[in-house]
Amino acid sequence: GAGVSQSPRYKVAKRGQDVALRCDPISGHVSLFWYQQALGQGPEFLTYFQNEAQLDKSGLPSDRFFAERPEGSVSTLKIQRTQQEDSAVYLCASSSGSNQPQHFGDGTRLSIL
Amino acid sequence: EDKVVQSPLSLVVHEGDTVTLNCSYEVTNFRSLLWYKQEKKAPTFLFMLTSSGIEKKSGRLSSILDKKELFSILNITATQTGDSAVYLCAVPYSGNTPLVFGKGTRLSVIA
Repeated sequence: GAGVSQSPRYKVAKRGQDVALRCDPISGHVSLFWYQQALGQGPEFLTYFQNEAQLDKSGLPSDRFFAERPEGSVSTLKIQRTQQEDSAVYLCASSSGSNQPQHFGDGTRLSIL
Repeated sequence: EDKVVQSPLSLVVHEGDTVTLNCSYEVTNFRSLLWYKQEKKAPTFLFMLTSSGIEKKSGRLSSILDKKELFSILNITATQTGDSAVYLCAVPYSGNTPLVFGKGTRLSVIA
């Protein structure tokens, strides 16, 4: 597609439920990033893939967070046993290389009740 | 620890005014600095700066980097209500690819 596509746009879940957020990067982009953005803050890095390899997951806040990109294209961010503090906008970005700008999707707004 | 500090955090101006947004950074193994505009949805890419003193320009927006003093500015001339947004500054951390963002400057342009 023309840009980074994320789904769903909005997700409401009850505390304790598992959620899965999808990111479809720009076609041909080898690098894919997940960020978490709290209200009034800049995005914060969660994890990063180059093709199917997860090169850095140092930003994942707990072992309840898991991301995969099995075929080097679409990525899924999974959050298990959600907590209220997981409520945020989850942004996905992709780039064509390590020295190229990242282009962002519209994000998934996750609300945990 | 790598960090990015933006100022001011918010700014209200009238249409036609010129604004300057500031971004200072501390990062190991600096490679580049990026500016994004965020309205209600995705941050949209504005500029990537790698060299000191070379202005990048796009319409009424321009930006410049000072690697000696570790800061960048984003200028917007003849502001319009459509410029109202949060402007984010970011640097790749530790010379790596993931970005460290500042908190952003919220610009409001009043007609």
